[in-house]
Amino acid sequence: DQQVKQNSPSLSVQEGRISILNCDYTNSMFDYFLWYKKYPAEGPTFLISISSIKDKNEDGRFTVFLNKSAKHLSLHIVPSQPGDSAVYFCAAPNSGGGADGLTFGKGTHLIIQP
Amino acid sequence: NAGVTQTPKFQVLKTGQSMTLQCAQDMNHNSMYWYRQDPGMGLRLIYYSASEGTTDKGEVPNGYNVSRLNKREFSLRLESAAPSQTSVYFCASAWGNYGYTFGSGTRLTVV
Repeated sequence: DQQVKQNSPSLSVQEGRISILNCDYTNSMFDYFLWYKKYPAEGPTFLISISSIKDKNEDGRFTVFLNKSAKHLSLHIVPSQPGDSAVYFCAAPNSGGGADGLTFGKGTHLIIQP
Repeated sequence: NAGVTQTPKFQVLKTGQSMTLQCAQDMNHNSMYWYRQDPGMGLRLIYYSASEGTTDKGEVPNGYNVSRLNKREFSLRLESAAPSQTSVYFCASAWGNYGYTFGSGTRLTVV
């Protein structure tokens, strides 16, 4: 049973436009969400997070929106740049505040076209 | 500041061979984790150690063992490698509950 779902394996966006990556979750106990970015042959790196007490968190070009009633979050990248081409993972702490690991979605491969 | 260091970076094993993947962190983190990444599957938790002296199973522990040698080091052992264990393995450590830092990965092929 997949508790964190990223239903788009890939997304192609033109440079300068907005990229929107989506994530759905089924476990209503999740109270914190994270986005990780991964380049080939490297480990994932933390990008941005959001607590369930908020519906939006912004960091420069990156904004994450959370809709708790729909169990849905999205990552917006504006404007998209070539260096944003990577795989993006949505994740949530398993329990106990995350000390027992994160559950990851399958990832979305974002391709920024010049 | 190296962060999380994994060795080796690449390894090819024959079915039935054993090996140990090494992981060390220099950030004084309490928690350490082993994940595997397979195509189209995201990252799945194999084992974790919430603190020195403790280890627990994650989502996909079968075929693996771990040792938390000290606060810095957390190793993953494959006793009898199988082709299904062909994967990329990531070690991570965490400060607090959400500050995860990942290593660069070990690409393992079992033939």
